[in-house]
Amino acid sequence: GQQVMQIPQYQHVQEGEDFTTYCNSSTTLSNIQWYKQRPGGHPVFLIQLVKSGEVKKQKRLTFQFGEAKKNSSLHITATQTTDVGTYFCAGPGAGGTSYGKLTFGQGTILTVHP
Amino acid sequence: NAGVTQTPKFQVLKTGQSMTLQCAQDMNHNSMYWYRQDPGMGLRLIYYSASEGTTDKGEVPNGYNVSRLNKREFSLRLESAAPSQTSVYFCASSARPEAEQYFGPGTRLTVT
Repeated sequence: GQQVMQIPQYQHVQEGEDFTTYCNSSTTLSNIQWYKQRPGGHPVFLIQLVKSGEVKKQKRLTFQFGEAKKNSSLHITATQTTDVGTYFCAGPGAGGTSYGKLTFGQGTILTVHP
Repeated sequence: NAGVTQTPKFQVLKTGQSMTLQCAQDMNHNSMYWYRQDPGMGLRLIYYSASEGTTDKGEVPNGYNVSRLNKREFSLRLESAAPSQTSVYFCASSARPEAEQYFGPGTRLTVT
């Protein structure tokens, strides 16, 4: 079945440093979604990318969707303590019995040291 | 709008006991989902309902049953709880299958 792998599993940074997490799918995706989960909280939708090679920005966050639509990245510039949490990517199933499901990566846990 | 609500927030069960986790959404979404989250395992789909009247198994359905009671409500039942079901359970909904999902606050379940 479809697999979505995310690296790294953990990332510790000093406040002000940049951070990047990478997501790779075993199948071509129709779209890729990113979520953030604060410690003790629930996942919150950040963004969806649909087009091959798409790049979207939200303030200090930059999201990219690969040309082959099998990988994606999230880059945070100049991290702040408010960026702490787990970042998940998720991709929809490839149709058939997988229709309607999102497969989530294992997440990258970001710690920011002040 | 409350979004997605879940009850209870916390629950402790003894092995073999049963319980139902309740989930409701007020966003008129068609699709609803149940996930469990364990340390280092990410979010694993238990069951989902692409639309009212349909339910399908996810990645880890064993030991669980679901009911899509109506468009708003999607419940998850543990018939005979086991310690391996100790986890945090999240309900989510989306306007349509594969669209962005909105999560509830979660239920922290411990089975002793």
